[in-house]
Amino acid sequence: GENVEQHPSTLSVQEGDSAVIKCTYSDSASNYFPWYKQELGKGPQLIIDIRSNVGEKKDQRIAVTLNKTAKHFSLHITETQPEDSAVYFCAAGTSNFGNEKLTFGTGTRLTIIP
Amino acid sequence: GAVVSQHPSWVICKSGTSVKIECRSLDFQATTMFWYRQFPKQSLMLMATSNEGSKATYEQGVEKDKFLINHASLTLSTLTVTSAHPEDSSFYICSAALRTGLYEQYFGPGTRLTVT
Repeated sequence: GENVEQHPSTLSVQEGDSAVIKCTYSDSASNYFPWYKQELGKGPQLIIDIRSNVGEKKDQRIAVTLNKTAKHFSLHITETQPEDSAVYFCAAGTSNFGNEKLTFGTGTRLTIIP
Repeated sequence: GAVVSQHPSWVICKSGTSVKIECRSLDFQATTMFWYRQFPKQSLMLMATSNEGSKATYEQGVEKDKFLINHASLTLSTLTVTSAHPEDSSFYICSAALRTGLYEQYFGPGTRLTVT
């Protein structure tokens, strides 16, 4: 099955700086890579996703890159703000109907220092 | 759009009793719903996948007789923890996948179960 590794496990950055979280996956059949933000005591919130037919996707301060050859994908947050502090999870899966299981990384606790 | 609700948000029950958790997709029809379990400061562990009108598919190591899943409609799935024990205390989260070819998975707010 799929195995997703995520680094770093904790990350502290100064407000206004950029944060980068990296994930690797093992199953070449995976073609869908979402990122979730989870605040304390809440369910994960989908913040951005990318599919294997594109290499990069951007939404305001958030961007995701995908290198299918190396089986790497990364989350980039620019101009970080205190409200970006949360746990971030990457995931990998397929978008094939009937087999939409996601495998999650172990999470990154991001702290923005004011 | 793509809102998923869970009820209750938290529940305390006595050991040996059963607890039902509801998961609803409020503004879309869900092809598939998923149930996860999350321990403090850990990642999400998939327990089972359920499709409307069919039996749930459980992950290895998850007791299907203990965690009963019913997916009665395209907008409702329930998880019943039967004969709960303190080790079942956890954060249970459901998610629902959009019924399109694009497929995104949206999560509910979670249910904190404490078994005393």
